[in-house]
Amino acid sequence: AQKITQTQPGMFVQEKEAVTLDCTYDTSDPSYGLFWYKQPSSGEMIFLIYQGSYDQQNATEGRYSLNFQKARKSANLVISASQLGDSAMYFCAMREGRGAQKLVFGQGTRLTINP
Amino acid sequence: NAGVTQTPKFRVLKTGQSMTLLCAQDMNHEYMYWYRQDPGMGLRLIHYSVGEGTTAKGEVPDGYNVSRLKKQNFLLGLESAAPSQTSVYFCASSWTLGANVLTFGAGSRLTVL
Repeated sequence: AQKITQTQPGMFVQEKEAVTLDCTYDTSDPSYGLFWYKQPSSGEMIFLIYQGSYDQQNATEGRYSLNFQKARKSANLVISASQLGDSAMYFCAMREGRGAQKLVFGQGTRLTINP
Repeated sequence: NAGVTQTPKFRVLKTGQSMTLLCAQDMNHEYMYWYRQDPGMGLRLIHYSVGEGTTAKGEVPDGYNVSRLKKQNFLLGLESAAPSQTSVYFCASSWTLGANVLTFGAGSRLTVL
């Protein structure tokens, strides 16, 4: 069974609009962490935001926020006021338990921002 | 501060050849990892290390070996390369505490003919 599911292979959004990238996860471990990474066309993996399973509030980092719905096992990434530079692949990932960060990644969503 | 450095960035091998990818980090991170990324897919963990002299298998370890002789270096070896190992390889490192966010290297593109 897929541990991380990203159901949107591609998304197209107008510049300055907000966009939500979906991510659902599957785990029975009460302690886990959820991550979002951005991969531009240059190929590097850029960390965006982290949410711990015990965190009471949704994580925010500048224009990025994570809509964490624990009961639904979803961790959607919200990008406000999208910019052309936001065009990239976005990966949701999960770490189960503590210790070494053995991340499991989803297949990614390709986001294209149109001017 | 270089972060995580991978060498080489590109390599073409023939089936059956061997090679080693080097990962070096200057952040004094305890944990290090090797992932592979195939077209249209997310990253998959090959091997990881929780400290100098220790290594462990990840999700897709077959055909690879690793060594962590020094804390700052993590080597990924292919003893007999196969076309199925054509991929982009990412090294990463992280702290032991807190959110343990992974810092990734720029990636190494390997093609096996």
